[in-house]
Amino acid sequence: AQTVTQSQPEMSVQEAETVTLSCTYDTSENNYYLFWYKQPPSRQMILVIRQEAYKQQNATENRFSVNFQKAAKSFSLKISDSQLGDTAMYFCAFFEGGAQKLVFGQGTRLTINP
Amino acid sequence: DTGVSQNPRHKITKRGQNVTFRCDPISEHNRLYWYRQTLGQGPEFLTYFQNEAQLEKSRLLSDRFSAERPKGSFSTLEIQRTEQGDSAMYLCASSPPGTSGTYEQYFGPGTRLTVT
Repeated sequence: AQTVTQSQPEMSVQEAETVTLSCTYDTSENNYYLFWYKQPPSRQMILVIRQEAYKQQNATENRFSVNFQKAAKSFSLKISDSQLGDTAMYFCAFFEGGAQKLVFGQGTRLTINP
Repeated sequence: DTGVSQNPRHKITKRGQNVTFRCDPISEHNRLYWYRQTLGQGPEFLTYFQNEAQLEKSRLLSDRFSAERPKGSFSTLEIQRTEQGDSAMYLCASSPPGTSGTYEQYFGPGTRLTVT
């Protein structure tokens, strides 16, 4: 079974700084999708960024970018110029095509301080 | 399009009672998922529908849990004889047909269940 591990339970940075959240996963599949989701306090889960495993180019969405290392099974999220609104739980997720489900990591609680 | 909606948002029930939650997916999405999330943890998959067919069920979905999607639109999740361990946030998500090639899932706000 696929597993997703986020080794940083909590992180805290100052506004405007850059922060990187780590994620590793385990799979025997070759084609898959990886996602980062954001869950603000008491609010719903929002998709931040998506990476297809067959694409070598790292995905970017405005201030959010990923470092996808397929051989190392690593998928980190970089947030540049962090803003107060980035404060949230961040979940790394692996899309398991066979069972058609997302497998989530334990999450990283990110706090952006003014 | 107002996104995925879930009702009720909060439910408090006594142990042993039955509860039912509803999820309305994004209109053109034929795939619907239920997840359970306990405090401080990531969501855990419960079940998956493609149109009206329930194609996957997690071992987490005991026989007290049942989900339906009768017309391939909204879905319900029922928990019978609730236990305190059922207290959690129940999340619904939907995604467009597989032909879109994206597999992104869009989540609703969740139903928070408290069993006393």
